[in-house]
Formats: sequence, structure tokens, C-alpha cells
Amino acid sequence: DTGVSQDPRHKITKRGQNVTFRCDPISEHNRLYWYRQTLGQGPEFLTYFQNEAQLEKSRLLSDRFSAERPKGSFSTLEIQRTEQGDSAMYLCASAAGGQGQETQYFGPGTRLLVL
Amino acid sequence: GDSVTQMEGPVTLSEEAFLTINCTYTATGYPSLFWYVQYPGEGLQLLLKATKADDKGSNKGFEATYRKETTSFHLEKGSVQVSDSAVYFCALSSYNFNKFYFGSGTKLNVKP
Repeated sequence: DTGVSQDPRHKITKRGQNVTFRCDPISEHNRLYWYRQTLGQGPEFLTYFQNEAQLEKSRLLSDRFSAERPKGSFSTLEIQRTEQGDSAMYLCASAAGGQGQETQYFGPGTRLLVL
Repeated sequence: GDSVTQMEGPVTLSEEAFLTINCTYTATGYPSLFWYVQYPGEGLQLLLKATKADDKGSNKGFEATYRKETTSFHLEKGSVQVSDSAVYFCALSSYNFNKFYFGSGTKLNVKP
């Protein structure tokens, strides 16, 4: 069990560019969550996968954001046509699921800066 | 919609002081409640949880009781240590754990 990993850890991009982040959950965790966190705030829920199915998506998630989990293992979060307001820490978390297994394990995050 | 409100920080205490960080929530259905902690330079980690009304979660000397009548889940510790200095987040989940809502966090500074 190596924990949740995220790549890259830091990303600087210019406004209008597309970026893609990767999350590798703890193996055999079937639940995977993406969050966005800005300075001084708590994590803001973006989307949730159970295995490969995207079951929840925040209304705050604009059409420029898309997430996938094609084989129920790793997940990617893509932001198209980035804006300065997208600058934030993007967090991924996984959980085993099942009764009493709802504890989320968070990755270190990807810090995005849009210039 | 569902939401969590927690007291603003920073909270500064001397070592061995009593700690309370207030957390109230708004939710439909039967949420589960959590406290997460983020130590300096580290990622978020679960501190304690309670999945139904009147449950008490506890860990590392911290406690919180799920109070449905007051929609609260206040975090308490009888005697804080310098090593407890961190940011504490209150959170709730939907009944099926498909969505989580976090408070804005409370920074705790404990001075020796």
C-alpha cells in the first residue's frame, strides 16, 4: 500500500492551455474523488467515481472540466482552456467502499497556477 | 444544499489548554460526519468520524459527538500539545458517501 499518488505535483500553464492531471488511488479502492482547494478554504467536491462509473458531478464543475477513470483504476482530470480562476490545488482521494470503509485517503495534490 | 460551517481561526492556545472547535452542518437525509486534519507540509488525513446520531468519534485524545438535535459535531480535546498544531476540517458525506462537503478549516496554533 503506497498511498494515493498524483502527478504532476506542480503545473504552471498559460491561460487558454489545456492541462491533465493523473491520480493513482490505493489499489483495490473502488471509490475515487476529485476536489479543488483554494488558499484558506476547505476541499470543494468536484466529482466521484465508483469503479469506472462517474456517479456524481458537482454543479460547480464547468464544461471545461472532464474526468475519466477508464479501467476503474487510475483517473485523469482535464481542464480545457484554462482560466486564471482555475488556479488551485487539485486533490484526489480514494476509499475502499463498503460498510465502515468510507474513510478517504488523500493524495498530496497537484498545484495548478494559470498565468 | 448540504453544507458545513466551522469556526474561523486561527485558534491560539497554550500547551495543556482545553480545545473546542465548533462545527455545524446542514444536510438532507442521514449524513456521516468527519474531522480531517492537515499537519504542516502533509496531506489531509482522517482524525475521527461518526456515522449516526449520538455516535462519538475519538482518536488521539480528540472527541466529537454527532448531535442531530443541534446539527453539530464539535471537536474537543482536554489537553492540547504543540504537536497538535495543524488545520482541522469538519466534513459531512451524503448517506451513500458519494459526495463530501468540507468546512473552510480552522488553524490551531499551540504554544509551549
